[in-house]
Amino acid sequence: DTGVSQDPRHKITKRGQNVTFRCDPISEHNRLYWYRQTLGQGPEFLTYFQNEAQLEKSRLLSDRFSAERPKGSFSTLEIQRTEQGDSAMYLCAVRAAPMETQYFGPGTRLLVL
Amino acid sequence: GESVGLHLPTLSVQEGDNSIINCAYSNSASDYFIWYKQESGKGPQFIIDIRSNMDKRQGQRVTVLLNKTVKHLSLQIAATQPGDSAVYFCAETGSGGTSYGKLTFGQGTILTVHP
Repeated sequence: DTGVSQDPRHKITKRGQNVTFRCDPISEHNRLYWYRQTLGQGPEFLTYFQNEAQLEKSRLLSDRFSAERPKGSFSTLEIQRTEQGDSAMYLCAVRAAPMETQYFGPGTRLLVL
Repeated sequence: GESVGLHLPTLSVQEGDNSIINCAYSNSASDYFIWYKQESGKGPQFIIDIRSNMDKRQGQRVTVLLNKTVKHLSLQIAATQPGDSAVYFCAETGSGGTSYGKLTFGQGTILTVHP
C-alpha cells in the first residue's frame, strides 16, 4: 500500500469525450505529481503541485489538459476532447518533503477509441 | 534533453541466481536516484534509492551501485525469485532549482525469473 489511491482504475472513452481522473493521497503530502506512461516506456512527468499551487507543467500537457488540487489534498486531471494519442496510464505520485522519494498510486489506464 | 537510459531491455535468469540491471544517465546535475519495480497493471513500486554522495547502498536482497564518473547506476538483486519478475526502472532527479523533484525515468528492463 503506497498510501495513494486513484479512480477510476480503467477508463474507456470515445474520441472527443472529456474524462476526469482523481488522485487521493491517504495522508498529507505537500507535493503531488502527475505522470503519463505509454506502453513499453517509463513514466513521463506532466505536472506538479506543492500544496494547492500548480508550480510546473510539462510541454506534454497541452491546453486540453488541466489539473487541480483545490484543498492541497486530492487532485484531479481532466482531459478535454480526448484523442487516441491520449491512451496511456496516468499515474499520480506523492512526496513528503524533505524526503525525496516519490510513491506512486496504481494508475488510471485510459483507452480512447 | 537530459535522459536516463538502460543498457538491456530484457533479462532472463534462473531462480536463485543474482540479477544485475544497469542504467546510464546523462544529467551530471542528477543527485538522487531511485529504482522502481513495476508489475503488470500496477504503478511503480519503490525499491531502493541512493544519493550522489554515496556509491553503494544495500537493502533487503537489493544493492544499488552508483558510479558518478561514468554516470552509471546498477541494481543487484540477490537470490532472484519468481516474484521479482517485473519491469525495473531507474529514475533520477536533481535537487533544488526548478526541478521540483520531478523524476526522469529510463526505458525499463524486463526481468523474467524462471523457476
